[in-house]
Amino acid sequence: ELKVEQNPLFLSMQEGKNYTIYCNYSTTSDRLYWYRQDPGKSLESLFVLLSNGAVKQEGRLMASLDTKARLSTLHITAAVHDLSATYFCAVDMNNAGNMLTFGGGTRLMVKP
Amino acid sequence: SQTIHQWPATLVQPVGSPLSLECTVEGTSNPNLYWYRQAAGRGLQLLFYSVGIGQISSEVPQNLSASRPQDRQFILSSKKLLLSDSGFYLCAWMEGSYNSPLHFGNGTRLTVT
Repeated sequence: ELKVEQNPLFLSMQEGKNYTIYCNYSTTSDRLYWYRQDPGKSLESLFVLLSNGAVKQEGRLMASLDTKARLSTLHITAAVHDLSATYFCAVDMNNAGNMLTFGGGTRLMVKP
Repeated sequence: SQTIHQWPATLVQPVGSPLSLECTVEGTSNPNLYWYRQAAGRGLQLLFYSVGIGQISSEVPQNLSASRPQDRQFILSSKKLLLSDSGFYLCAWMEGSYNSPLHFGNGTRLTVT
């Protein structure tokens, strides 16, 4: 059974600081996705990582994938309040791109 | 462009009542379709997915069922709701190219009383 674990589960940080969210998964996969969820809202796609060593950046967020270590990171640079949300990683279960298993989420709170 | 519609947005139903949630996708053909459930403050649990009309795979045995009567329509149903069915239900679709992300609907918040 594929397990996807995120840590930390909750992160409170000051504006302007940097931090990294980690996503570990238990089986071989070359596809990993990051999503953002605002309170009471649906999920919004942030990044699609499709190969070992893939790195994607959008604004203050940067995601990377190490398939050998079965690890993805979401790095936050100079956090701002607008980044407060819950972030989920999801791993393709069968490496065919059509079945995703989600991590438990990391709730990020950025304080002014 | 593709859009996904999910309704209703909120629903309060008594225990033992039936359920029908509907999801439609526009602007694409033969999408993979999914139903996820999110309990309060928790991650997402895959309930059902479909790769084509009439093709439904269930991930979690329970009192819920799904149907895909048309290419871009996905329905989640129950004959008798349980308290434990409360949660945030999300419909999602994915292109067949397998290099694209899941696109989620706005969700239905179901409260079973």
